[in-house]
Amino acid sequence: DAGVTQSPTHLIKTRGQQVTLRCSPKSGHDTVSWYQQALGQGPQFIFQYYEEEERQRGNFPDRFSGHQFPNYSSELNVNALLLGDSALYLCASSSPLERGNSPGYTFGSGTRLTVV
Amino acid sequence: QQQVKQSPQSLIVQKGGISIINCAYENTAFDYFPWYQQFPGKGPALLIAIRPDVSEKKEGRFTISFNKSAKQFSLHIMDSQPGDSATYFCAATSGYSTLTFGKGTMLLVSP
Repeated sequence: DAGVTQSPTHLIKTRGQQVTLRCSPKSGHDTVSWYQQALGQGPQFIFQYYEEEERQRGNFPDRFSGHQFPNYSSELNVNALLLGDSALYLCASSSPLERGNSPGYTFGSGTRLTVV
Repeated sequence: QQQVKQSPQSLIVQKGGISIINCAYENTAFDYFPWYQQFPGKGPALLIAIRPDVSEKKEGRFTISFNKSAKQFSLHIMDSQPGDSATYFCAATSGYSTLTFGKGTMLLVSP
């Protein structure tokens, strides 16, 4: 049973460019959340998608946007990249049953984005 | 505003010793407190979690102690092993909401 799959694993972009990161949730999971983890910090919540809609959003600018597809997979888009956007971007998925009893999100291994 | 404060930032423990990591939270609406373990190049993995209606939960060598009145909780790793060397994050959430993480503790267990 595959867990959360993220692609690509590593990415180097130039300031001002745009980037798209992809996530396939764990089988049976319908909710996808995105987190940004700067070096030496804990993950920071970006937004959460459920039923193809953004349900919650953290304190991130509009340059960060996302999408969820009917198969529950998701994309994170970042426009006008800044040096400060360099981080590990984590995707986490969960299911209604797990949320009710023990909402322990399953995380992917992340995409390491470097902005130069 | 950092809603979950974690300490220490780093910790060195000898093999066989007890590792203790502490967290404090501010939001009284939090009702679920997981701990995550993260190895380099990997995403966080759920280790153990607790709800505020119990004061302690034990799973193998890992124990969470919870003090609701003080709004504090801690992770104890008994008989620490070199394979436990990783970064540990406490987190908190309420209902179906998202996770708020601490800044992490880098644990090194020396052989």
